[in-house]
Amino acid sequence: DGGITQSPKYLFRKEGQNVTLSCEQNLNHDAMYWYRQDPGQGLRLIYYSQIVNDFQKGDIAEGYSVSREKKESFPLTVTSAQKNPTAFYLCASSIRVAGRNEQFFGPGTRLTVL
Amino acid sequence: QQQVKQSPQSLIVQKGGISIINCAYENTAFDYFPWYQQFPGKGPALLIAIRPDVSEKKEGRFTISFNKSAKQFSLHIMDSQPGDSATYFCAARSGNTPLVFGKGTRLSVIA
Repeated sequence: DGGITQSPKYLFRKEGQNVTLSCEQNLNHDAMYWYRQDPGQGLRLIYYSQIVNDFQKGDIAEGYSVSREKKESFPLTVTSAQKNPTAFYLCASSIRVAGRNEQFFGPGTRLTVL
Repeated sequence: QQQVKQSPQSLIVQKGGISIINCAYENTAFDYFPWYQQFPGKGPALLIAIRPDVSEKKEGRFTISFNKSAKQFSLHIMDSQPGDSATYFCAARSGNTPLVFGKGTRLSVIA
């Protein structure tokens, strides 16, 4: 069963704690992405990685960190420096197939800071 | 700077009617224009996509119309059904750059 998995589905964190969100894909996609979704804000890019061991900041990278040690995994750490971390976090991956460049999303993780 | 402007923010359509969502872009280097459908609490799902060398693409009840000179593209949902009620996002990208998303349109189809 191919696809993108994110865990956990719901996550609760106390203020001042770091937390790591998992994203795994078995689609053999080269590129992976993390987005944050808030009501009325659409999808905002946090970090992306086009290849293993390399990643770039997106539009709202402050307070977040990532790693890309394996092609299939792209974990996101929400650090205590992120002032308003409560949001819905979406992981995505993409591959260029015959110039189509399709991107697919995981089911998301809802993070709530208590 | 928002590179893809989506309208309307919300839309209410009668069952059986046509839903139309519009997007405008500024970057003429964009070469791929997908639409995503998202249900509450779920990740967005790729619905349909178009490249700028065609003016229209149809898949079932969903059609993308593309106007390169006006730098606009739109999603038409024919015979709209209550099950189509969701949030729809347009997006665009150039080459291998990350997708740039519109802010979304919440569609409600009422019986």
